[in-house]
Amino acid sequence: EVQLVESGGGLVQPGGSLRLSCAASGFTFRDYWMHWVRQAPGKGLVWVSRIDSDGRSTIYADSVQGRFTFSRDNVKNTLYLQMNSLRAEDTAVYYCARGDYYHMGVWGQGTTVTVSS
Amino acid sequence: QSALTQPPSASGSPGQSVAISCTGTSSDVGGHNYVSWYQQHPGKAPKLIIYEVNKRPSGVPDRFSGSKSGNTASLTVSGLQADDEADYYCSSYTGSPWVFGGGTKLTVL
Repeated sequence: EVQLVESGGGLVQPGGSLRLSCAASGFTFRDYWMHWVRQAPGKGLVWVSRIDSDGRSTIYADSVQGRFTFSRDNVKNTLYLQMNSLRAEDTAVYYCARGDYYHMGVWGQGTTVTVSS
Repeated sequence: QSALTQPPSASGSPGQSVAISCTGTSSDVGGHNYVSWYQQHPGKAPKLIIYEVNKRPSGVPDRFSGSKSGNTASLTVSGLQADDEADYYCSSYTGSPWVFGGGTKLTVL
């Protein structure tokens, strides 16, 4: 079964850091681009970042550029999103998703990040 | 990159058809055929239902169909069923980042 499982969410103070993980299984992980997408409470989906299949190329939304770092380990079949200098507006459910060409064909269940003092 | 424009809500009775629009620009929706649609039930993860404007993943009923004209893409849900009540999001590849629409809440009356 193709599966993505996020973890690492939680409560963090403004200015703090958090690292999210996404464990992949059921497919050849190293062959796919991967994405992070977030959803603030009661709001819509917002694309955050994409990493290519070997981890050499990443792109970010302007809102997180310079604060978030997307990486992957193709041996452990795991994605990582290092989030620094967190702000209240980063509060959201964070989903990892598999990039099937130019759409997102498989999604994880999400992990919740709350930035608050 | 601006979000794509969707109506906030749509509705229809069981058995009817409803169309949801997604308007972008020539840089995204109008520039290529990489438009996709996602269904999200409350508290659940999004699910891909249409990709490359009008293709359906395996397992998605043919009641869901997609089309595009110029800078506007559309999702049509035919033969509405109670379980179709959900939020629907369009998305487009823009050459660098991806963008989503603001979402449309579909209510089955």
